[in-house]
Amino acid sequence: EPEVTQTPSHQVTQMGQEVILRCVPISNHLYFYWYRQILGQKVEFLVSFYNNEISEKSEIFDDQFSVERPDGSNFTLKIRSTKLEDSAMYFCASSDGGYGYGYTFGSGTRLTVV
Amino acid sequence: SQQGEEDPQALSIQEGENATMNCSYKTSINNLQWYRQNSGRGLVHLILIRSNEREKHSGRLRVTLDTSKKSSSLLITASRAADTASYFCATVPYNAGNNRKLIWGLGTSLAVNP
Repeated sequence: EPEVTQTPSHQVTQMGQEVILRCVPISNHLYFYWYRQILGQKVEFLVSFYNNEISEKSEIFDDQFSVERPDGSNFTLKIRSTKLEDSAMYFCASSDGGYGYGYTFGSGTRLTVV
Repeated sequence: SQQGEEDPQALSIQEGENATMNCSYKTSINNLQWYRQNSGRGLVHLILIRSNEREKHSGRLRVTLDTSKKSSSLLITASRAADTASYFCATVPYNAGNNRKLIWGLGTSLAVNP
């Protein structure tokens, strides 16, 4: 069964450093998403991406965040200057856009900012 | 605003019993989805029910949707220890357009005791 692959699975970074979280969505999917989940809290929407551009971003997704689809297969989330409160699990998801189907999530990247 | 709210927040049952979890939401939806998350792991899509459907089955899972009450329930029959996980409902808003972001509830933590 097709999978969404995320790397790395764990990342520890110092406050103020830049991190890039990588995702390989399912190849024929058209919609891509980043979500995050702070430990013990609900899953939060960060950004959606369709047709090579951001279709919506949440208020969490401020200027320190950016997304790219650099080569048609990878989908990256960059956090420019990490803060302690950015520590969370970050999930990438993709879908084919059909309303009758669920989304496929990656296993997540656990980001710890120290 | 919080879209999805599950109850109970935690549920502990014996193997073989049925587990019922409920989810309420606030705004009109296109569909409602249930996901499972094992501790510290990724989100796995279980089942999707469209706004014009009232009930759906998949194996030991049964989902109902009451759009007049803006609520859904997930029933797991004949539970197993391996069903121990957190279960989340997530909705796709009506008229989502090209942004089909999922809006998540807080989740129900299910423990199935052998």
